[in-house]
Amino acid sequence: AQKVTQAQTEISVVEKEDVTLDCVYETRDTTYYLFWYKQPPSGELVFLIRRNSFDEQNEISGRYSWNFQKSTSSFNFTITASQVVDSAVYFCALIRGSTLGRLYFGRGTQLTVWP
Amino acid sequence: DGGITQSPKYLFRKEGQNVTLSCEQNLNHDAMYWYRQDPGQGLRLIYYSQIVNDFQKGDIAEGYSVSREKKESFPLTVTSAQKNPTAFYLCASSSLQGESGLETQYFGPGTRLLVL
Repeated sequence: AQKVTQAQTEISVVEKEDVTLDCVYETRDTTYYLFWYKQPPSGELVFLIRRNSFDEQNEISGRYSWNFQKSTSSFNFTITASQVVDSAVYFCALIRGSTLGRLYFGRGTQLTVWP
Repeated sequence: DGGITQSPKYLFRKEGQNVTLSCEQNLNHDAMYWYRQDPGQGLRLIYYSQIVNDFQKGDIAEGYSVSREKKESFPLTVTSAQKNPTAFYLCASSSLQGESGLETQYFGPGTRLLVL
């Protein structure tokens, strides 16, 4: 079975603090894809990043960075110098390589950034 | 602009009534998906379609039906058999091209369904 766990239900930080959102996944497939999405209060899911299981290189995009570690089955997301506009629900998700389109989502982490 | 549109933004359903949620995309994507989101929950897959006139059940298909007569459109009908339809419904689409035949799913703005 596929499973994505986001243990942090809610996180609150003050602007300019760094924050890390945790994601742990389970799958028996050797090929799989991991995603992070942002859901602002408007409700639409915004794609942030995709990683395949063969690429463990960490990625940085502006204030966002992702740490993928197969040894611990984790795909954590860090926001550096957080801003109020970062307030949203963040979802980690998984697709098995053998089943096109079946996105398995974690329950999400509500991030609130206070001014 | 290319994107995914969903309508209406809010929808009210009476007991025993079927309602249809619209999803249209102009991204020329092959695959389309419907998800349901409940408060405090992740998204769960209802139905998906990889090609016109073909679709598959997801994890929670009971009480729902879909059609895929055109590449651009994937309407979802919530039938009276769905006993707890109040939720936020999100439509997504993706291309089936790319390095692995699998591409990222992009989402519409969603429809919030409420039962009166």
